[in-house]
Amino acid sequence: AQTVTQSQPEMSVQEAETVTLSCTYDTSESDYYLFWYKQPPSRQMILVIRQEAYKQQNATENRFSVNFQKAAKSFSLKISDSQLGDAAMYFCAYRRYGNKLVFGAGTILRVKS
Amino acid sequence: SAVISQKPSRDICQRGTSLTIQCQVDSQVTMMFWYRQQPGQSLTLIATANQGSEATYESGFVIDKFPISRPNLTFSTLTVSNMSPEDSSIYLCSVVLLDTQYFGPGTRLTVL
Repeated sequence: AQTVTQSQPEMSVQEAETVTLSCTYDTSESDYYLFWYKQPPSRQMILVIRQEAYKQQNATENRFSVNFQKAAKSFSLKISDSQLGDAAMYFCAYRRYGNKLVFGAGTILRVKS
Repeated sequence: SAVISQKPSRDICQRGTSLTIQCQVDSQVTMMFWYRQQPGQSLTLIATANQGSEATYESGFVIDKFPISRPNLTFSTLTVSNMSPEDSSIYLCSVVLLDTQYFGPGTRLTVL
């Protein structure tokens, strides 16, 4: 069965600095999707970024980028120029085509002003 | 992306009662998913609801406790039956659109 591991229960970053959240996953499949979701205190699950496994290029969305290492089964999220509004729980997730989403345990990100 | 609404956004219920949560999507989707998120935890899939067929439940969840309806391609309900304090959680509905999963705003349930 596929598993997703987020080894950092909590991270802190100074406002305007850069932080990287780690995620590893286990799968025997070659085609799949990886996601990062953000859940602020409002509890809304917000899609941050998505990566297709067949794409070698790392996905980017404004201040958010990923480092996708397929062979190492690693999918880290880098947040640049951190803002107070980035404070949230971040979930890494894996999904094989047509299958259910598998979540990691989450990482709480705190942003210090 | 998909726009998903849920009702109610929160509720406080008495032990032994039932609550029905509604989920409305602005697009027609084949599958809708219901998740539970207990305090401080990740999301756990309760069931997958396909229009016109019985919902498929994950291990540890049963239809008698969490009956689901899916009358059309844009709407679903989840009922939490015979509630106990252990059912206090956030319940989220979710859909897949173009291979990306989107979530509703969640329903925060507190059972006293």
